[in-house]
Amino acid sequence: EVQLLESGGGLVQPGGSLRLSCAASGFTFSSYAMSWVRQAPGKGLEWVSAISGSGGSTYYADSVKGRFTISRDNSKNTLYLQMNSLRAEDTAVYYCAKHIIAAAANDAFDIWGQGTMVTVSS
Amino acid sequence: QTVVTQEPSFSVSPGGTVTLTCGLSSGSVSTSYYPSWYQQTPGQAPRTLIYSTNTRSSGVPDRFSGSILGNKAALTITGAQADDESDYYCVLYMGSGIYVFGTGTKVTVL
Repeated sequence: EVQLLESGGGLVQPGGSLRLSCAASGFTFSSYAMSWVRQAPGKGLEWVSAISGSGGSTYYADSVKGRFTISRDNSKNTLYLQMNSLRAEDTAVYYCAKHIIAAAANDAFDIWGQGTMVTVSS
Repeated sequence: QTVVTQEPSFSVSPGGTVTLTCGLSSGSVSTSYYPSWYQQTPGQAPRTLIYSTNTRSSGVPDRFSGSILGNKAALTITGAQADDESDYYCVLYMGSGIYVFGTGTKVTVL
């Protein structure tokens, strides 16, 4: 069964850092691009970042560029999101999502994790 | 800043048909934006319905269909059922690895 399991969420102070993980199983992880998508409480979905299957290409929404870093360890079938300089507006449920192809371009998401909550507050 | 627009809400009767649209604040949506559609119920992760304009994801019933209507992407639900009551989001691929979600449409079945 194809599965994605996020972890690493929690409460962090403004300006702080947090690293999210997404453990993948049931498919050849390195063959597919992956993304992080977030949803603030009561709000819509927002694409955050994507990474190609090899990890050689990364992409970011303007709202997180320079503060967040996406990476992956294909030997561990795990996706990461390093979040620095966190702000109150980063408070959201963070979902990892598997892309349909490897390239993270001309593409869409087909499998979603259950999400992990990040709260930025003093 | 690109805004992807959707109707805020729609109401449909059980067994009825509803078409949701996904447009751009400036310009037209075409297949080159690889529009995709996602369904989300409160407290749950999104579920993929349609990708690449009109390809149904695995296990999605054929009452869901995607298309381009005029200058927008569209999701049509034919023969709506009670469990279709959800929020629906479109996504457009903007190039250079960037994706943008639409504002979302809340569908009520009553």
